[in-house]
Amino acid sequence: QQQVKQSPQSLIVQKGGISIINCAYENTAFDYFPWYQQFPGKGPALLIAIRPDVSEKKEGRFTISFNKSAKQFSLHIMDSQPGDSATYFCALNPLYKLSFGAGTTVTVRA
Amino acid sequence: ETGVTQTPRHLVMGMTNKKSLKCEQHLGHNAMYWYKQSAKKPLELMFVYSLEERVENNSVPSRFSPECPNSSHLFLHLHTLQPEDSALYLCASSQDLGQGLWPQHFGDGTRLSIL
Repeated sequence: QQQVKQSPQSLIVQKGGISIINCAYENTAFDYFPWYQQFPGKGPALLIAIRPDVSEKKEGRFTISFNKSAKQFSLHIMDSQPGDSATYFCALNPLYKLSFGAGTTVTVRA
Repeated sequence: ETGVTQTPRHLVMGMTNKKSLKCEQHLGHNAMYWYKQSAKKPLELMFVYSLEERVENNSVPSRFSPECPNSSHLFLHLHTLQPEDSALYLCASSQDLGQGLWPQHFGDGTRLSIL
């Protein structure tokens, strides 16, 4: 299964700060990079996604950037809020499957 | 009505028991998935169904047996499980296969504990 390496495993940020999560992949046979957000006791929910022909996508305070040559993509959470405290997963898709990173637990301190 | 509903939410069973997990989706989707989520590990895809046909069996031990009687329901039958099978089991659905077009919608999972 395609490997996706996600870092950091956890991070703590002050309210109003920027959270940055990075993912690196090995192969190039994919067409979709989704990010999922998971709150405790809930299943993951799609947060934002990008296609590899786009270098950046922004939705509200969430921005994905994609560096094809470095085989990396990242999620930036601007103006982090306590409600953003959750676990975030990057993923990519060989064919119809999703390969997930191990997750990053983000804690936003008020 | 929640899009993808899983029951039970919690299950404790002994290694010799037989139990089933149930998933129901109310989204009119054609594809359904079972995942295993263990702490600090990536979600592991277990099974994929499209239009009630199994299209993926990701080297899952035979003690896990899926069943998809129709496009709205998915079951995971469990028997003779091991302690390492304790995890959160997530069900998901998507309109069709093909992640670029059809994102997956997840249920809230069944927390399984094997004694």
